[in-house]
Amino acid sequence: AQRVTQPEKLLSVFKGAPVELKCNYSYSGSPELFWYVQYSRQRLQLLLRHISRESIKGFTADLNKGETSFHLKKPFAQEEDSAMYYCALSGNTGFQKLVFGTGTRLLVSP
Amino acid sequence: DAGVIQSPRHEVTEMGQEVTLRCKPISGHDYLFWYRQTMMRGLELLIYFNNNVPIDDSGMPEDRFSAKMPNASFSTLKIQPSEPRDSAVYFCASSLASPSVLREQYFGPGTRLTVT
Repeated sequence: AQRVTQPEKLLSVFKGAPVELKCNYSYSGSPELFWYVQYSRQRLQLLLRHISRESIKGFTADLNKGETSFHLKKPFAQEEDSAMYYCALSGNTGFQKLVFGTGTRLLVSP
Repeated sequence: DAGVIQSPRHEVTEMGQEVTLRCKPISGHDYLFWYRQTMMRGLELLIYFNNNVPIDDSGMPEDRFSAKMPNASFSTLKIQPSEPRDSAVYFCASSLASPSVLREQYFGPGTRLTVT
């Protein structure tokens, strides 16, 4: 069964501090992992996907198959990063649904 | 493109009443998803359609919930009768049946449902 675990409901940091939002997954095959973000009063939107190996708004995430993790990181948090972050997983064969974690609210204080 | 459109944006109803939520996906998208968001459980997939056909409804909590997609540009999620525990934000999303690497779901603004 597919499962995504985000152990932290809330992560509070000061501006300029490093941020790491944790995501662990369970999947028997080779997964595709995504991070979605929901800013206040905005729609949920894709932030980044592991297969693209991209950095968006200073965020990066590396898929660690050994630890079954896909943690989201940013070296210096900004106040505008405050949002709800969801990690999501999908199988990579054909089209399959996304399974989301329960989300982590990131609060960046000045 | 206005993106995924949902209506109403807010709905307040009394327990026992029927509630109908509406969604218009992005034109040309092959897949449509209904999600429910709560503080405790996060984002849960309720049901999804491919080319208007329901593919997986295993996330629908009870028989009180039903969803339809009569055509490529419209879908409804109905709760009858509604209960206070149904209070949540309901999201609709759509996506293309493109190669898996490009698979991205586009979300609507959500409908905030309050059942009193």
